[in-house]
Amino acid sequence: QQQVKQSPQSLIVQKGGISIINCAYENTAFDYFPWYQQFPGKGPALLIAIRPDVSEKKEGRFTISFNKSAKQFSLHIMDSQPGDSATYFCAASIGGGYNKLIFGAGTRLAVHP
Amino acid sequence: DTEVTQTPKHLVMGMTNKKSLKCEQHMGHRAMYWYKQKAKKPPELMFVYSYEKLSINESVPSRFSPECPNSSLLNLHLHALQPEDSALYLCASSRNSGGGTDTQYFGPGTRLTVL
Repeated sequence: QQQVKQSPQSLIVQKGGISIINCAYENTAFDYFPWYQQFPGKGPALLIAIRPDVSEKKEGRFTISFNKSAKQFSLHIMDSQPGDSATYFCAASIGGGYNKLIFGAGTRLAVHP
Repeated sequence: DTEVTQTPKHLVMGMTNKKSLKCEQHMGHRAMYWYKQKAKKPPELMFVYSYEKLSINESVPSRFSPECPNSSLLNLHLHALQPEDSALYLCASSRNSGGGTDTQYFGPGTRLTVL
């Protein structure tokens, strides 16, 4: 119930292509869904986040699509660049003060020039 | 400024040593977190402090002892660690506003190696 399942485990995309990472959850009490980007040797950094009352959120080349009925959400990276090569984690939390984030397993993205 | 700082960046310790990790934020955040991250794995929550009080302990072994001296500082005291405790230790903070969408800001981590 507390799990967030993320796929694929790894992804190779050509420069300029679209990267798509998917996540699914079971606990309908989750109400906040952030995506974090992590470069080697660094801490995770918030990329974009969405709440379940919105079906899509776009920030630059990054878009979250959210399907509440299917309990799924995905990250789309348009025009992928080599600098996007990193590990991406989806997460979910139940709001109310501090947030206990439940992370997905992570996706290692490599964007080839 | 959305910076969380952590010291040291790297730490090597023996199993009989006592050491401490330090985390600092000046964003006025009232929730602070310790995570442990093994290679190629997501961060695992260890402890949460809310308004300087320990709110969550995720059944962490007593050889890890957290401390929150004030709202800006978070320490993790280490004693009698095992080699399997080697990992990246991440600190994070968030506003703790009760709104449910507070962003957690992570520090760069301390790379710990236990010999």
